[in-house]
Amino acid sequence: GNSVTQMEGPVTLSEEAFLTINCTYTATGYPSLFWYVQYPGEGLQLLLKATKADDKGSNKGFEATYRKETTSFHLEKGSVQVSDSAVYFCALSDSGNTGKLIFGQGTTLQVKP
Amino acid sequence: EAGVAQSPRYKIIEKRQSVAFWCNPISGHATLYWYQQILGQGPKLLIQFQNNGVVDDSQLPKDRFSAERLKGVDSTLKIQPAKLEDSAVYLCASSYREGASYEQYFGPGTRLTVT
Repeated sequence: GNSVTQMEGPVTLSEEAFLTINCTYTATGYPSLFWYVQYPGEGLQLLLKATKADDKGSNKGFEATYRKETTSFHLEKGSVQVSDSAVYFCALSDSGNTGKLIFGQGTTLQVKP
Repeated sequence: EAGVAQSPRYKIIEKRQSVAFWCNPISGHATLYWYQQILGQGPKLLIQFQNNGVVDDSQLPKDRFSAERLKGVDSTLKIQPAKLEDSAVYLCASSYREGASYEQYFGPGTRLTVT
């Protein structure tokens, strides 16, 4: 079945460091790919998405490129801030296009000043 | 625009008791999802409604979990009887329509602890 695997956390970085959170997936068909973020005490929010191969999603300085050949959707940011501290979830849409999301286990990012 | 509302925010019960969670989606959103998020894991879909019809309940433990969305607006998720392994955050999400093109908006969740 479809699945998503994320790198283990927590990830601890200093402010202004470069961020990469790895995400790989297994899926039939051509799913859409998503990154969601959960800030402390808040609900899940969509950060960015990509709907087809080679698409790049971007938002708030974060980017991820849909790589079909490596079945990956790694999240990157050039310079993280303390306010980026949160849990990040990679997800894919089920191939039936019902909107059902399959999530990875989440990666906690902690940014220190 | 008001977001997805859920209540209660926290609930502690003993095993074998019953519990119910309520969700009010964003106005006009036809699709409603219930996810279960166990500590340290990503959310897992329990049930999806399109208006008041069930689209997917393949992951819902139907011997103890039930959900309804009467009138196609708000929804209730019930657990009866609860087990220790049901301790989790229950998330409700809604979207304008079903399909990957429509963003899902999540509520704050209900944190359930079963003792």
